[in-house]
Amino acid sequence: EAGVTQFPSHSVIEKGQTVTLRCDPISGHDNLYWYRRVMGKEIKFLLHFVKESKQDESGMPNNRFLAERTGGTYSTLKVQPAELEDSGVYFCASSLRGGTSYNEQFFGPGTRLTVL
Amino acid sequence: DQQVKQNSPSLSVQEGRISILNCDYTNSMFDYFLWYKKYPAEGPTFLISISSIKDKNEDGRFTVFLNKSAKHLSLHIVPSQPGDSAVYFCAAKHPNTGGFKTIFGAGTRLFVKA
Repeated sequence: EAGVTQFPSHSVIEKGQTVTLRCDPISGHDNLYWYRRVMGKEIKFLLHFVKESKQDESGMPNNRFLAERTGGTYSTLKVQPAELEDSGVYFCASSLRGGTSYNEQFFGPGTRLTVL
Repeated sequence: DQQVKQNSPSLSVQEGRISILNCDYTNSMFDYFLWYKKYPAEGPTFLISISSIKDKNEDGRFTVFLNKSAKHLSLHIVPSQPGDSAVYFCAAKHPNTGGFKTIFGAGTRLFVKA
């Protein structure tokens, strides 16, 4: 069974440019999450989709970030325009249905974004 | 404000000895705690968890202890192996988020020397 995949693995862009990150969750997982880790700090929650609906976007930093999950399958996270502080590793995770506290999330390898 | 804190950025242990990784949290409403392990260029993988109604959970070489009064948990690895060298993240969940949103610490890098 394929795990969570993310594309690209690395992206280097200049300040002011646009970047789109993609995440393909494990097949059949209704829940999809985006997280970000900046400069060796904590992994921070960005948002949570249930199928195509945004369930919780409390962690999105500002309106330069736009996440979508059309059709409830893969998801994209667009940063426009990118700023220096957006640099970090962006992780995507997915999990099965269910809202119990134990809702194991499977993480992708991450996309390392560098904004120059 | 960081609600889950791992104050030791790194830890070095000899193979065969015990590794103890510590984690403190500030929110007494957290009801579930997890440890994730991360190798370079990979995403975090779930290792072990504990509900707030328990004080210990064991899975093979890994044991997690929870001290609710001190808002502290720890991960014990016995015996430590070189393959355990990785970054370990402590994480917590709050019941108000339905068990979905996970709050992570900054991680502790464990080095197990052969």
